[in-house]
Amino acid sequence: QVQLVESGGGLVKPGGSLRLSCAASGFSFSDYYISWIRQAPGKGLEWVSYITHSGSGPQYADFAKGRFTVSRDNAKNSVYLQMNGLRTDDTAVYYCARDKVPGSYYRPDSWGQGTLVIVSS
Amino acid sequence: DIQMTQSPSSLSASLGDRVTITCQASQDISYYVNWYQQKPGKAPKLLICDASNLERGVPSRFSGSGSGTDFTFTISGLQPEDIATYYCQQYDNIPLTFGGGTKVEIK
Repeated sequence: QVQLVESGGGLVKPGGSLRLSCAASGFSFSDYYISWIRQAPGKGLEWVSYITHSGSGPQYADFAKGRFTVSRDNAKNSVYLQMNGLRTDDTAVYYCARDKVPGSYYRPDSWGQGTLVIVSS
Repeated sequence: DIQMTQSPSSLSASLGDRVTITCQASQDISYYVNWYQQKPGKAPKLLICDASNLERGVPSRFSGSGSGTDFTFTISGLQPEDIATYYCQQYDNIPLTFGGGTKVEIK
């Protein structure tokens, strides 16, 4: 079955960096776009980024542009989110999600369990 | 960015009640809306895509409707397992944006 497992979250000081990983299994990974979506504690959902099946033309929310970089390694069935210049308002659970349709990004139907990022001094 | 205004932010209803949640988009987004259910401590679950298409395995008491700027999500006969927060999401434009969520509780 489809499985996505995030890792790499933790406590980091403002201005610091973290690299999140999303390990996928149970499907033809290289056919699917992967998105990152976050949720601050007690708040709603916020889309962060997506990466295409080939890794080209990633898209980012405005708050992520210039600070976050998404990448993937199809040989390792993994997607990464490099986060630099972290701010306290980046504190959130970060989910990776796969779309229900290959080559699409806008109907994520398979989600990981999330990894918690806490940005605090 | 397209704003999704979801209401109410919370509601309390009795078992068996019909529950309705609305989402209003800040511009015409055709039928490009999904609805998710999120239970505490869990990842969101896609229930409805394309405004009204029920995902496989989702009970038929859940439904969605609407187009343009106004969308409705309905639970026809609230069940104990439906206690959750529900979100709408538009995909007409990047960035994908979500409504603020509706927390559904049992009265």
